[in-house]
Amino acid sequence: AQRVTQPEKLLSVFKGAPVELKCNYSYSGSPELFWYVQYSRQRLQLLLRHISRESIKGFTADLNKGETSFHLKKPFAQEEDSAMYYCALSITQGGSEKLVFGKGTKLTVNP
Amino acid sequence: KAGVTQTPRYLIKTRGQQVTLSCSPISGHRSVSWYQQTPGQGLQFLFEYFSETQRNKGNFPGRFSGRQFSNSRSEMNVSTLELGDSALYLCASSLRRTIQETQYFGPGTRLLVL
Repeated sequence: AQRVTQPEKLLSVFKGAPVELKCNYSYSGSPELFWYVQYSRQRLQLLLRHISRESIKGFTADLNKGETSFHLKKPFAQEEDSAMYYCALSITQGGSEKLVFGKGTKLTVNP
Repeated sequence: KAGVTQTPRYLIKTRGQQVTLSCSPISGHRSVSWYQQTPGQGLQFLFEYFSETQRNKGNFPGRFSGRQFSNSRSEMNVSTLELGDSALYLCASSLRRTIQETQYFGPGTRLLVL
């Protein structure tokens, strides 16, 4: 069955430290993966998608099909990065696509 | 452009009642998806509507239903409410159906079932 696992519910780092939010997926098809972020009192929003191979706010994520992972990384965390992060997998079911979300990781960047 | 709006923002109901939630997508967006968010299960896909047709459905009982109007506004209905239906219900809109389109989320409707 298709599944997204984010093993850490909480992650705390100091400002300037590297951060890595882990995401593993299970899917028999060709995976399309996304990271969504929700800052305090704001809406859930797309951070980045693997197909774009982009870097947003200093974050990058590489799809590793061998390890079925899509970890989110930033070399130097900032306090404004504190938020809830969700990894999501797009699956095709019955000719339609839908997103399957992980349960999220709450990142706290301490001063 | 105005963002996705959802009404009402908060709702309290009792078991057995039914509820209707509304979602107005960003102007021009034709796809609307609904999600249920709970502390235990996280974000779970409910269904997606495009051009007034349900295109995809998650693993929820038939008590959960929805519809989309010609102006792309969408409603979801939950009948015979159960305590476990207490959740934040999010809708998201996108320009087209493909998942490659960015989904824009609304603020959510928080439903409490007593």
